[in-house]
Amino acid sequence: AQSVTQLDSQVPVFEEAPVELRCNYSSSVSVYLFWYVQYPNQGLQLLLKYLSGSTLVKGINGFEAEFNKSQTSFHLRKPSVHISDTAEYFCAVSDLSGGATNKLIFGTGTLLAVQP
Amino acid sequence: KAGVTQTPRYLIKTRGQQVTLSCSPISGHRSVSWYQQTPGQGLQFLFEYFSETQRNKGNFPGRFSGRQFSNSRSEMNVSTLELGDSALYLCASSLQGFYEQYFGPGTRLTVT
Repeated sequence: AQSVTQLDSQVPVFEEAPVELRCNYSSSVSVYLFWYVQYPNQGLQLLLKYLSGSTLVKGINGFEAEFNKSQTSFHLRKPSVHISDTAEYFCAVSDLSGGATNKLIFGTGTLLAVQP
Repeated sequence: KAGVTQTPRYLIKTRGQQVTLSCSPISGHRSVSWYQQTPGQGLQFLFEYFSETQRNKGNFPGRFSGRQFSNSRSEMNVSTLELGDSALYLCASSLQGFYEQYFGPGTRLTVT
């Protein structure tokens, strides 16, 4: 079965500093990987996705992620964070074991707390 | 293009009652998925509908059910509500063949 592990439940960082949010997955089949962001009292917004091709994926709001198949990781990075980046970030993997489906398996989330 | 809409946004129900939540996907999207989000269990997949057929189902009891209409709008129903059903219920839609899903703002259900 596929699973996603987000190693940090909370990451405090100062404004304009770089940040990395870690995500590892477990799967016996090829996967599609996603990062979503959730602001308070809102739904999830897609930041970026990896389906195939280049392992470095660029997303919205200056975020990027690198797919590393050998380490089964998909870490999210931003070179300089802003106060407005404070939110919960979720890593997710598509469950392709059941055929055509859009089922996502989510990690437990990482709260990015940007301090001035 | 309008995003995914969910109604109602907030709901308070009593234990034992039933509830129906509604989701309107982005125009042209035929796949609708439902997720439950709680502090303890995180985000969990409930089910997915595509062209009015349930394509996948998560590990939830039979009290949780759903359906999809010909216009792709979807509803989920929870019968005999329990306190543990209190959660944010999120709906997501996507195009056939694409794996990125677009989420609505959610319905916050509180069971007392």
